[in-house]
Amino acid sequence: AQKVTQAQTEISVVEKEDVTLDCVYETRDTTYYLFWYKQPPSGELVFLIRRNSFDEQNEISGRYSWNFQKSTSSFNFTITASQVVDSAVYFCSTSGGGADGLTFGKGTHLIIQP
Amino acid sequence: EPEVTQTPSHQVTQMGQEVILRCVPISNHLYFYWYRQILGQKVEFLVSFYNNEISEKSEIFDDQFSVERPDGSNFTLKIRSTKLEDSAMYFCASSETVRGRPQHFGDGTRLSIL
Repeated sequence: AQKVTQAQTEISVVEKEDVTLDCVYETRDTTYYLFWYKQPPSGELVFLIRRNSFDEQNEISGRYSWNFQKSTSSFNFTITASQVVDSAVYFCSTSGGGADGLTFGKGTHLIIQP
Repeated sequence: EPEVTQTPSHQVTQMGQEVILRCVPISNHLYFYWYRQILGQKVEFLVSFYNNEISEKSEIFDDQFSVERPDGSNFTLKIRSTKLEDSAMYFCASSETVRGRPQHFGDGTRLSIL
């Protein structure tokens, strides 16, 4: 069974600051997948990124970057030069071992203050 | 961009009544899912559906729940004899294939049981 821990319940920063959201996962599977989703105040879940267990390359997409480290079972998400529109709950999730369903962490509520 | 659509956006039902939540997955997707999110909590997997049958279900998905693909476009979640604790946001999702492909979520149906 998978488990995802997002230890940061809430983070508040001032606009333009950089912020990192932590995600630690647990799995016994050798093949697994990691995801980040964003849930803005309107409530929908927006897919941000997917990583498989064989690809430890970090990824950058505009102001977003992701750091995947198998050695520490972490898949952290960094927003540079944060903006008010980044305010949302961010969920890290995983799937693997032949399971269809995603296992989500409890989410980190990110508040960007103007 | 194709999206998953869910209706209704909000459903209010008396305890003990049956409710059907509807979803139209992305047209070329083959796997369909239901998740629920109790207010303020994490997103929880309920069930996955492929080739007109349940592929996987969580322990939450008991005999009270059922899913169906009544035609070529709709995917429904039925909750029989609703209970107060069924109050939650219910998300439908779809993916091209399973196990590793991103799951794209609808905007959710907020179910309120009175």
